[in-house]
Amino acid sequence: QSALTQPASVSGSPGQSITISCTGTNSDIGGYDYVSWYQQHPGKAPKLMIYDVSDRPSGVSDRFSGSKSGNTASLTISGLQAEDEADYYCSSYASSSTLLFGGGTKLTVL
Amino acid sequence: EVQLVESGGGLVKPGGSLRLSCEGSGFAFSSYGMNWVRQAPGKGLEWVSSISGSGSYIYYADSVKGRFAISRDSAKKSLYLQMNSLRAEDTAVYYCTREKTTITVAATSADFWGQGTLVTVSS
Repeated sequence: QSALTQPASVSGSPGQSITISCTGTNSDIGGYDYVSWYQQHPGKAPKLMIYDVSDRPSGVSDRFSGSKSGNTASLTISGLQAEDEADYYCSSYASSSTLLFGGGTKLTVL
Repeated sequence: EVQLVESGGGLVKPGGSLRLSCEGSGFAFSSYGMNWVRQAPGKGLEWVSSISGSGSYIYYADSVKGRFAISRDSAKKSLYLQMNSLRAEDTAVYYCTREKTTITVAATSADFWGQGTLVTVSS
């Protein structure tokens, strides 16, 4: 049950777009379309931003989008805003009926 | 409005036990799988355990298998986590989460999270 791999940090200026990657294996990301992305502000509970690779829950801005290619999933945030500064975590269902999380990526809005 | 409220956290000595509870409201509790996810201080998220809506399917992370037990009581709309043989590395905020879909029996995506309850294992 190894964690998924995310970059420790990414940054961007307001209005720009950024992409956060999440790399797994054939037994998790590559094998199932159950990739999710969560946003977590300091001291708060995580919030679901993307589920099933590319679907957005009701109320989540369409500036957030998700995709997957092979064993790597990606979260793209367009039109970066100051409020997007947070930690982002990916997760994926894995073949042993478990759930794996990535190590998290700190997004800094410059 | 969906709400999840955890309780039961606290300070416990290594080797001790603790039982966490999570009360759900605002949704058909017995229709949804539920999960426990933890976050050690300053660290990332770690899935701990899942239970299906019926309670028939239960899964654990290797790090807690044999020490933790998840259960649910539909009449009380509550989820539980019995934690035994606690170790320092179990210190974390424990979140109760609801599965987004009623279709899957294992954890895939959590659309609602509680506020978390802190468990500290220390002598």
